[in-house]
Amino acid sequence: EPEVTQTPSHQVTQMGQEVILRCVPISNHLYFYWYRQILGQKVEFLVSFYNNEISEKSEIFDDQFSVERPDGSNFTLKIRSTKLEDSAMYFCASKTGSSGANVLTFGAGSRLTVL
Amino acid sequence: AQKITQTQPGMFVQEKEAVTLDCTYDTSDPSYGLFWYKQPSSGEMIFLIYQGSYDQQNATEGRYSLNFQKARKSANLVISASQLGDSAMYFCVTRGGYQKVTFGIGTKLQVIP
Repeated sequence: EPEVTQTPSHQVTQMGQEVILRCVPISNHLYFYWYRQILGQKVEFLVSFYNNEISEKSEIFDDQFSVERPDGSNFTLKIRSTKLEDSAMYFCASKTGSSGANVLTFGAGSRLTVL
Repeated sequence: AQKITQTQPGMFVQEKEAVTLDCTYDTSDPSYGLFWYKQPSSGEMIFLIYQGSYDQQNATEGRYSLNFQKARKSANLVISASQLGDSAMYFCVTRGGYQKVTFGIGTKLQVIP
């Protein structure tokens, strides 16, 4: 069964460092997302991406965050200068189309720990 | 704006019994979708079931069924014949007219042998 692949599964970084989280969505999917889940808290929307541009972003997704689909396969989330409060599980998700029935398929997540 | 409310932070159920996880939602979108996802302790997010706002019948997927009451804005998940492997966090999720998907805070289900 097709799956969304995320790397790394866990990354530890120092505060102020740049981090890139990578995702390979399912190949025929057109809509891509990043979510984060701070330990013990709810899953929060960060950004959605379609047709090579951001379609929507939350207030969490400030200037420190950026997304890119550099090669038609990978979908990356970059955090320019990490803060302690960026420590969370980051989930990439994708779906085929805009219909409400299209299921979001999630990756297994990338756990980011900022020290 | 969309909002999901899950009022049960934790639930226990005896193995082989049925359990209902509550979810109420609020959305201004005329057309929307409701999903349930399972998150086991390993952390991944697993899709369980989907209900469209215009669907006439309640969705079912194996042991999972969604008790959709549109007028009451509720979309409760029913798990029949609980198994030990059902122990996990369960999230009710809504998707409206835009691409953003909103998660509830989750219900932690523990299945007791």
